[in-house]
Amino acid sequence: DQQVKQNSPSLSVQEGRISILNCDYTNSMFDYFLWYKKYPAEGPTFLISISSIKDKNEDGRFTVFLNKSAKHLSLHIVPSQPGDSAVYFCAARVHNAGNMLTFGGGTRLMVKP
Amino acid sequence: DAGITQSPRHKVTETGTPVTLRCHQTENHRYMYWYRQDPGHGLRLIHYSYGVKDTDKGEVSDGYSVSRSKTEDFLLTLESATSSQTSVYFCAISESGQGIGEQYFGPGTRLTVT
Repeated sequence: DQQVKQNSPSLSVQEGRISILNCDYTNSMFDYFLWYKKYPAEGPTFLISISSIKDKNEDGRFTVFLNKSAKHLSLHIVPSQPGDSAVYFCAARVHNAGNMLTFGGGTRLMVKP
Repeated sequence: DAGITQSPRHKVTETGTPVTLRCHQTENHRYMYWYRQDPGHGLRLIHYSYGVKDTDKGEVSDGYSVSRSKTEDFLLTLESATSSQTSVYFCAISESGQGIGEQYFGPGTRLTVT
C-alpha cells in the first residue's frame, strides 16, 4: 500500500499561471515532506521541504502547503515558466528512521508558452 | 551540484547474468542510498548505508545486495538479473539523518535485462 500518493499523473498549465501539484499521505509518523524535480535523463533535484510542525513554506516562486488533518500537501508554482516543465515527486520522511524517504509516483508538469 | 557519479550510465544484460552498479561520491556524506524508478511507482528504496560496512534493506530489496567498503563507494549487485529488474537506478547521498535530511541524487543508470 502506497504511503505517499500523487493522484494526478500529469498537469498542463499556461505560462504565467499558477501550477498546483498535490500529494496525499497515510503515515502519521512522517516528520518532513520534500518536493523533488526531475528532468529527463537526470537525477531528481531537491526543490523545497516543509516540517510537519508548519503549514506553509515559501521559497521564491515555490510554496508548499501542509494540511495535517487531511494528510495532504500541495506545491504551488507562481508564476509558472516553461523551464518548470518536469516530473515532480513528493517525498516524506519518518522521524528517526535512517533518513529514508518514501516517494509518490510523480506528476508530470507541462508549462505551455 | 553534489559530487555523485554512477557507472555505468547504460547497460544491457541478459537474464541470469550478474550485474554490479557503482555509485561514487566526493562529498564525504555518511548516508548512501540505492533507488529504482519505474513508471507509476516513483522512486523506491532498494538498500541504504549509514556508514562503512553498515547497510540495511529498503522497500524492494529482494534480488539485490549491496556493499560499502569505503565512504565514497556504494555498490549495488544483481546476483542473477531478471527482466523485472529492468529499470532506472539512482544513487543518492545525504549528510546526516538529522534536520531536513534532503538527499542528493546521481544521474542514474538505465539497466535493461533481456
